[in-house]
Amino acid sequence: DTEVTQTPKHLVMGMTNKKSLKCEQHMGHRAMYWYKQKAKKPPELMFVYSYEKLSINESVPSRFSPECPNSSLLNLHLHALQPEDSALYLCASSQSPFYEQYFGPGTRLTVT
Amino acid sequence: GNSVTQMEGPVTLSEEAFLTINCTYTATGYPSLFWYVQYPGEGLQLLLKATKADDKGSNKGFEATYRKETTSFHLEKGSVQVSDSAVYFCALYTGTASKLTFGTGTRLQVTL
Repeated sequence: DTEVTQTPKHLVMGMTNKKSLKCEQHMGHRAMYWYKQKAKKPPELMFVYSYEKLSINESVPSRFSPECPNSSLLNLHLHALQPEDSALYLCASSQSPFYEQYFGPGTRLTVT
Repeated sequence: GNSVTQMEGPVTLSEEAFLTINCTYTATGYPSLFWYVQYPGEGLQLLLKATKADDKGSNKGFEATYRKETTSFHLEKGSVQVSDSAVYFCALYTGTASKLTFGTGTRLQVTL
């Protein structure tokens, strides 16, 4: 089973709200990733967790806060977002860092 | 640095036509190469991969051969279907860059 699940599928939030995105995989993968994808663009890497530790932060604003509670779960906490943060947020996982990655279906985020 | 160049889209084909989507790359070191597909409203799916020169990746009728001499990884399919309509991303990974580098994506539209 090569499934990565993400919840919620859609999220609308105001600029003062706090919300979280959730990602889960049960493939035993030890690397997990957050990407941001704007319309008609390729995904942009935000964060990489390797063996539950943050290994890469691509200079992402602090209003995005990742968390990896265990090897199967990855969260992205959102606070005080801007309308330009509206995008598709994709989670991915791989057996080890940057081995072939498997993506989830994404969360479509709209910031109003 | 690493980069991936894909042909501009959209590519519009009739069903059962032959498909080629060009992908060339620039990389330091010896990259692994990937094709991902993104269907409307979904996340990315790994379509195929090749990890060394002259490797051929194949899946669901799609093929791509890692050509080191021409730094290319063109995607081909002998007979496309309407269900193949999607955006196709070429990507590479090298250990030195520690991240996937995506091309800009090529939209394929298949009509009856």
